[in-house]
Amino acid sequence: DTGVSQDPRHKITKRGQNVTFRCDPISEHNRLYWYRQTLGQGPEFLTYFQNEAQLEKSRLLSDRFSAERPKGSFSTLEIQRTEQGDSAMYLCASSLTSGRAYEQYFGPGTRLTVT
Amino acid sequence: AQKVTQAQTEISVVEKEDVTLDCVYETRDTTYYLFWYKQPPSGELVFLIRRNSFDEQNEISGRYSWNFQKSTSSFNFTITASQVVDSAVYFCALPSFQKLVFGTGTRLLVSP
Repeated sequence: DTGVSQDPRHKITKRGQNVTFRCDPISEHNRLYWYRQTLGQGPEFLTYFQNEAQLEKSRLLSDRFSAERPKGSFSTLEIQRTEQGDSAMYLCASSLTSGRAYEQYFGPGTRLTVT
Repeated sequence: AQKVTQAQTEISVVEKEDVTLDCVYETRDTTYYLFWYKQPPSGELVFLIRRNSFDEQNEISGRYSWNFQKSTSSFNFTITASQVVDSAVYFCALPSFQKLVFGTGTRLLVSP
């Protein structure tokens, strides 16, 4: 059984550049979530999809952030005009919508460093 | 709003000691789930357990056990006979609609 995968695992970029991360969820999971985790903190919710529909966005998700899940499978998270405050671990998770819903399974994360 | 408090920032123990990680939560929901996740140094969050508020029975899985007490809004996690591989950050979490609200985590250091 393949778990959640994320690519890249690490990204170093200069302030002002755009970056894009990819997440591939567990194949039978139709919910996909993005979280951000800064040092010493727990993950904070950014957004989630059910199939291809983006159903909720946190106010943490400024207009420089955009997420897509065009075919209800993989998802991308893009950050435009990166700022040093965007440096964090970006975590993707997936879950079912019934039965064992709420059990979110996480990928290894993408660690972003903005210099 | 849902809130999770993990007051212990870091705990250090020697291998084979028992250790309890505390979690206190706040919710207005009458039924809810609670979760524990483990984050080893590699960074991936590993799901450990989900408990339903209907079920206050303690649960044991190998060296891990969980004590859920609605009266004190606590969901504590005990590792018996700790091992070096248990070294990680442990998070307690509570669903808020479809997302999880996490505590700030407790870092557990198990030395040989």
